[in-house]
Amino acid sequence: KAGVTQTPRYLIKTRGQQVTLSCSPISGHRSVSWYQQTPGQGLQFLFEYFSETQRNKGNFPGRFSGRQFSNSRSEMNVSTLELGDSALYLCASSRGGSPSGNTIYFGEGSWLTVV
Amino acid sequence: AQSVTQPDIHITVSEGASLELRCNYSYGATPYLFWYVQSPGQGLQLLLKYFSGDTLVQGIKGFEAEFKRSQSSFNLRKPSVHWSDAAEYFCAVGPWGSNYKLTFGKGTLLTVNP
Repeated sequence: KAGVTQTPRYLIKTRGQQVTLSCSPISGHRSVSWYQQTPGQGLQFLFEYFSETQRNKGNFPGRFSGRQFSNSRSEMNVSTLELGDSALYLCASSRGGSPSGNTIYFGEGSWLTVV
Repeated sequence: AQSVTQPDIHITVSEGASLELRCNYSYGATPYLFWYVQSPGQGLQLLLKYFSGDTLVQGIKGFEAEFKRSQSSFNLRKPSVHWSDAAEYFCAVGPWGSNYKLTFGKGTLLTVNP
């Protein structure tokens, strides 16, 4: 079956602009989480959604937001872009639910460059 | 707070040699433990995971890892490395009973010499 699909794969934005990234999880997966990867900070958790509800959030400013739709697809938005937001943004999905033990699968990522 | 330490930033091995990548974690309860691999410009691919039970877990591509609770370690091993194994490897820990948040180590970059 198809894996986690992220679009767009590459994009360049200007400081002050906003960006929206999209993620389609594996079919049947209801949990979608987002991670930011940078050379300096490594992989950092942004937030996680399950059944359209944000269940957990990392330590990022309010400029970073997300949402999940009824079909489990998710989007994340970054407003007022800063140079430091340049990163690989990874989406991951799992079946979710509790108790867990589910495996988290990652997409190929969206490369964001802020100039 | 949970944390993961991968002490080796960069490891170089010869093709055919054995490999061990180290991972130490800090977590108050029984953790979920994972190893992921990332090739340049790609996402993360799951190699293996430990939830409970047998402390030696087998993964894809001939990798295995051993969970040692007393040492808070989850080291990744492979008996014979192939050139295609060159990539960055990440160890991650997640809280028991939840799969929604992983804490990653900084990664170990593996170079394989012919």
